[in-house]
Amino acid sequence: QSALTQPASVSGSPGQSITISCTGTSSDIGGYDYVSWYQQHPGKAPKLIIYDVTNRPSGVSNRFSGSKSGNTASLTISGLQAEDEADYYCSSYSSSSTGVFGGGTKLTVL
Amino acid sequence: EVQLVQSGAEVKKPGESLKISCKGSGHSFSTYWIGWVRQMPGKGLEWMGIIYPADSGTRYSPSFQGQVTISADKSISTAYLQWSSLKASDTAIYFCARGGVAVFDMWGQGTMVTVSS
Repeated sequence: QSALTQPASVSGSPGQSITISCTGTSSDIGGYDYVSWYQQHPGKAPKLIIYDVTNRPSGVSNRFSGSKSGNTASLTISGLQAEDEADYYCSSYSSSSTGVFGGGTKLTVL
Repeated sequence: EVQLVQSGAEVKKPGESLKISCKGSGHSFSTYWIGWVRQMPGKGLEWMGIIYPADSGTRYSPSFQGQVTISADKSISTAYLQWSSLKASDTAIYFCARGGVAVFDMWGQGTMVTVSS
């Protein structure tokens, strides 16, 4: 099972919105509404920010939102802030009853 | 406080065995899946496998099947990841995380494993 495909890097200025894509197949993203997104700051453990495609855990800013179309999921961060600079990973349930992560995207806030 | 606390950093030689741990507290440990995730130096997250402590049911990524063993002792709310013969390429940070197959809502602090001769 191959890793999901994410852009290596994205950037944006404070206050702007950015979107990170995550492309899989009909055996993972396209087949299930079980996509999650994680934020990881350097030297820290990942943090769940979106689950089940669109849901935010308690305490996560509503500036983070998720969506899915076909085999591609997306994470949008609006009102970009300096603290959003981090690595972002998508994950999906797969037809092998296991999970799979994307390769990760480094977000730079200019 | 709900948390997962992992065992400390390890330095091992190639061919040695190793078992690292992840202890849960503040929640019903048996009723959540516990997963293991690898992060090699400077690289991304890799889904290794997952265990349901209530019945020790496990699932492994094809990439890790046969390479590691995941186990749990629900009586002490602890999950384990073990190797029988380490390789230099096993050098990485290993995270445990609570949740389900496709979502991890709580993570341990990570265990750094260094394999070097």
